[in-house]
Amino acid sequence: KAGVTQTPRYLIKTRGQQVTLSCSPISGHRSVSWYQQTPGQGLQFLFEYFSETQRNKGNFPGRFSGRQFSNSRSEMNVSTLELGDSALYLCASSLSGWDTQYFGPGTRLTVL
Amino acid sequence: GQQLNQSPQSMFIQEGEDVSMNCTSSSIFNTWLWYKQDPGEGPVLLIALYKAGELTSNGRLTAQFGITRKDSFLNISASIPSDVGIYFCAGSPDLTGNQFYFGTGTSLTVIP
Repeated sequence: KAGVTQTPRYLIKTRGQQVTLSCSPISGHRSVSWYQQTPGQGLQFLFEYFSETQRNKGNFPGRFSGRQFSNSRSEMNVSTLELGDSALYLCASSLSGWDTQYFGPGTRLTVL
Repeated sequence: GQQLNQSPQSMFIQEGEDVSMNCTSSSIFNTWLWYKQDPGEGPVLLIALYKAGELTSNGRLTAQFGITRKDSFLNISASIPSDVGIYFCAGSPDLTGNQFYFGTGTSLTVIP
């Protein structure tokens, strides 16, 4: 079974721009969660989608948004980028959301 | 939010030694997961635990779900150089929830 895939793997943007990251979950998984990972803050939960609905949201500003499509693929969007948004963005998929989560390789975002 | 305390923060060991790390939470968890992350990559699931007292092995790795449901332990026996990386614990506090919380990680260095 193919694992979780994320595209692109690397991105460089400048402040004020916006960015869209994509995540394809493991086939059959309906839950996709997004995390931000930085050296100082560790892994922080952004939001979780299940069957195209956002079920849970972490403590991030409204500049961070996401959506999920009918095939369970998910996108995350960050608008008006700030330097502090530089991080590794990880998505994880699972069957139902509270069971075992499998991570993708991440998208490394650098904001200049 | 939920806090997971993971210790130790870092370990430097000789090849062949055994390793132990643990994770504690301030509340009861129903699921514990252990991941390993290599630099620039997403976390890879090592072991998943679903019942208090459960002891599960994956090769040289053994993890236990604490009886109190507030802690979990990971042991690595006979360490080898490829064990180098950062180990994370993750837990989900309740069956109706769909959010995992992560420990701050244990950085393992194996000296050949």
